Amino acid sequence: GAVVSQHPSWVICKSGTSVKIECRSLDFQATTMFWYRQFPKQSLMLMATSNEGSKATYEQGVEKDKFLINHASLTLSTLTVTSAHPEDSSFYICSARPGRGRQFFGPGTRLTVL
Amino acid sequence: GQNIDQPTEMTATEGAIVQINCTYQTSGFNGLFWYQQHAGEAPTFLSYNVLDGLEEKGRFSSFLSRSKGYSYLLLKELQMKDSASYLCAVRGGEYGNKLVFGAGTILRVKS
Repeated sequence: GAVVSQHPSWVICKSGTSVKIECRSLDFQATTMFWYRQFPKQSLMLMATSNEGSKATYEQGVEKDKFLINHASLTLSTLTVTSAHPEDSSFYICSARPGRGRQFFGPGTRLTVL
Repeated sequence: GQNIDQPTEMTATEGAIVQINCTYQTSGFNGLFWYQQHAGEAPTFLSYNVLDGLEEKGRFSSFLSRSKGYSYLLLKELQMKDSASYLCAVRGGEYGNKLVFGAGTILRVKS
């Protein structure tokens, strides 16, 4: 089956620093990747949709200058949380989709901002 | 997603059958998905329905009625490891090709 990896699996950083999370599709090319955020005991909230080679589309209420998304190749998308604050602490999950098929989820990245 | 509704919590007994309902409202429709998520882990795919009817896959089955905007996930022969959050997600309509999730149903299986 299709495999999606994320790195790192967890990260702890100081307030004000930037954190980069990588999402890779290991055995397929992903024309579209999605970034979700999940707070404790809540569901997944879509943050943005990224298409290879074009700008990401952000959901309402998500600051594009704070959550930088780069989808430079068909197998890699990155999410950078700039100037992170404690309220950005969350579980960040990416998913990748080959063409118009099913989405495959990565294992998630736990971000803790001190 | 504010237009996708699921019960918040359910409790069932090991070996029993449980049905988790999901209702949705969308101007168009291009598929409904069920995912299982254990605490601290990413969701894992369970089932996909795009046409009306029942899809059976081992102990898990999923039903869809597009005219009613309704789906359910049926879990048979419950096991303790089935304790998890079950997420209903819809694609299509105003969501386009995005997958929009309901709040999830926490299922607790007791012995």
